[in-house]
Amino acid sequence: DSGVTQTPKHLITATGQRVTLRCSPRSGDLSVYWYQQSLDQGLQFLIQYYNGEERAKGNILERFSAQQFPDLHSELNLSSLELGDSALYFCASSVRDYSYEQYFGPGTRLTVT
Amino acid sequence: ELKVEQNPLFLSMQEGKNYTIYCNYSTTSDRLYWYRQDPGKSLESLFVLLSNGAVKQEGRLMASLDTKARLSTLHITAAVHDLSATYFCAVDNRTQGGSEKLVFGKGMKLTVNP
Repeated sequence: DSGVTQTPKHLITATGQRVTLRCSPRSGDLSVYWYQQSLDQGLQFLIQYYNGEERAKGNILERFSAQQFPDLHSELNLSSLELGDSALYFCASSVRDYSYEQYFGPGTRLTVT
Repeated sequence: ELKVEQNPLFLSMQEGKNYTIYCNYSTTSDRLYWYRQDPGKSLESLFVLLSNGAVKQEGRLMASLDTKARLSTLHITAAVHDLSATYFCAVDNRTQGGSEKLVFGKGMKLTVNP
């Protein structure tokens, strides 16, 4: 158990819908990262927040957005969902804005039908 | 653009055997990570390699980093069934002046047969 929690564990929704994935980092970690894992694209970095501020952006679609709240939990919002958005979404956290190690949560499996 | 390549992508080996897997990356970085993922599970950090020549060992796994060759190896000694998993290497893109992100290889699926 890495100490990073993610909810929900599974999510099934229809195309065109909007969902929110939630992540709570390890106690004391200020940085949160979101990754998408799919068979087609592998593991891809989406976005990073550090202490409430966006720090880095990767291959994140415009339909996706994220934020980190004052209590340091983070939410990833996915809208206008398409079949291709079906994937495993991981959140990771680390102590600093760049860190030697990222600890991954259990993931949210999103299925878009 | 930083690219990370792992080979092989699939490996089936017998228990008790040794093998080395490779991770190449395309641009300069001084930080490389190895992760393990069991089916349907999250990523577990195995090694963090922070400098040229770094070598780390944990149990039957040993990882090394050659930043000049842009190459990391993960050596498996006397494999056991419990090592069956997918192994990812990831490279920190931060030193390129770009975003602070990890770029992952495609992963190597290891199956250790009795």
